[in-house]
Amino acid sequence: KAGVTQTPRYLIKTRGQQVTLSCSPISGHRSVSWYQQTPGQGLQFLFEYFSETQRNKGNFPGRFSGRQFSNSRSEMNVSTLELGDSALYLCASSLGLLAGAHEQYFGPGTRLTVT
Amino acid sequence: AQSVTQLDSQVPVFEEAPVELRCNYSSSVSVYLFWYVQYPNQGLQLLLKYLSGSTLVKGINGFEAEFNKSQTSFHLRKPSVHISDTAEYFCAAGNQFYFGTGTSLTVIP
Repeated sequence: KAGVTQTPRYLIKTRGQQVTLSCSPISGHRSVSWYQQTPGQGLQFLFEYFSETQRNKGNFPGRFSGRQFSNSRSEMNVSTLELGDSALYLCASSLGLLAGAHEQYFGPGTRLTVT
Repeated sequence: AQSVTQLDSQVPVFEEAPVELRCNYSSSVSVYLFWYVQYPNQGLQLLLKYLSGSTLVKGINGFEAEFNKSQTSFHLRKPSVHISDTAEYFCAAGNQFYFGTGTSLTVIP
């Protein structure tokens, strides 16, 4: 089985712009979660999608949004980029909801640099 | 208060020596506990998880962890490390909404 794929792998944007990141989960996985990883903060949970519905959301401003399509692929959007948004964005997929303690399979991440 | 605390940001250890990576969690989160490993330029991979039952959990690559409810800890251990264990290790709790800041394990030849 192919693993979780994320595109693009690297991205450079300017403050004020918006960006869309894409995640393709493992075939058969219905839950997709997004995390922001920075050196000082570790992994911070952004949101979880299951069956095209946002099921859980972390403590991030409304500039961060996402969606999930019927084939379970997910996109994350960040509007009005700030320098502090520079990070590695990780996508993870699992068979079921995180509430079921399912193992997550992580993609390699998208490295976003905001200048 | 942090939901998950990894007390050591960096742990250097000599090859074939034992290692313990410490993790403490907040008693306010549900007691599902996980350890993930991240090798350079790769995504995270599950090492082991505790849901219920035996407090000693065995994982992949010779790692094990012990759940201690009274100390709200879930420390990761390996009796003899290899060079290939050099990586970043993350503890997670609750519904995996909460991750620690990571411990960088460096195995010295």
